Amino acid sequence: SQQGEEDPQALSIQEGENATMNCSYKTSINNLQWYRQNSGRGLVHLILIRSNEREKHSGRLRVTLDTSKKSSSLLITASRAADTASYFCATERETSGSRLTFGEGTQLTVNP
Amino acid sequence: EAGVVQSPRYKIIEKKQPVAFWCNPISGHNTLYWYRQNLGQGPELLIRYENEEAVDDSQLPKDRFSAERLKGVDSTLKIQPAELGDSAVYLCASRDYVHNEQFFGPGTRLTVL
Repeated sequence: SQQGEEDPQALSIQEGENATMNCSYKTSINNLQWYRQNSGRGLVHLILIRSNEREKHSGRLRVTLDTSKKSSSLLITASRAADTASYFCATERETSGSRLTFGEGTQLTVNP
Repeated sequence: EAGVVQSPRYKIIEKKQPVAFWCNPISGHNTLYWYRQNLGQGPELLIRYENEEAVDDSQLPKDRFSAERLKGVDSTLKIQPAELGDSAVYLCASRDYVHNEQFFGPGTRLTVL
């Protein structure tokens, strides 16, 4: 079963708005990563946050991690139509080596 | 620098037929992964290689799936015989020892009829 669970499953917004996606997980982790997947393509790594970090920024992306609640959020600011894609969180557990466990993803649609 | 290369991109076969997928990871990446992604879901790990050694194959259905990574570079994933439920996208990814991010190929979309 998937460790990560994204919420919402689908999100539709207008260009310029912010998009927030959430991820919950169940076990202790080394790090949590967010990936983007455009339709028919492979996944692209966006950002990694370690278990001892609480917040991280990369361009228009902001990721938070709350290990006490076992949850993370991905915020995309000033969204663009090109941000339309599926977004997945993936956790690397303490005991799994370099295995990533992916959630089922959030389908983001940014309308021009 | 070339990314992860996979072939073929698409494959349509009839059930009970064999099928093979090929992956060429990024040069210098020691870790190679095969994932299966069903429609509307996230990828699920099938097998992980460290160089030529399969170190995590607990989720590989060994009755019909096999994989190899000769010389610790290219890898092939085989299904024999294929079943209807094997229809999915098969993704290959690689990673080096320094960074935690995985680099994914475009995947092979398998349709079993």
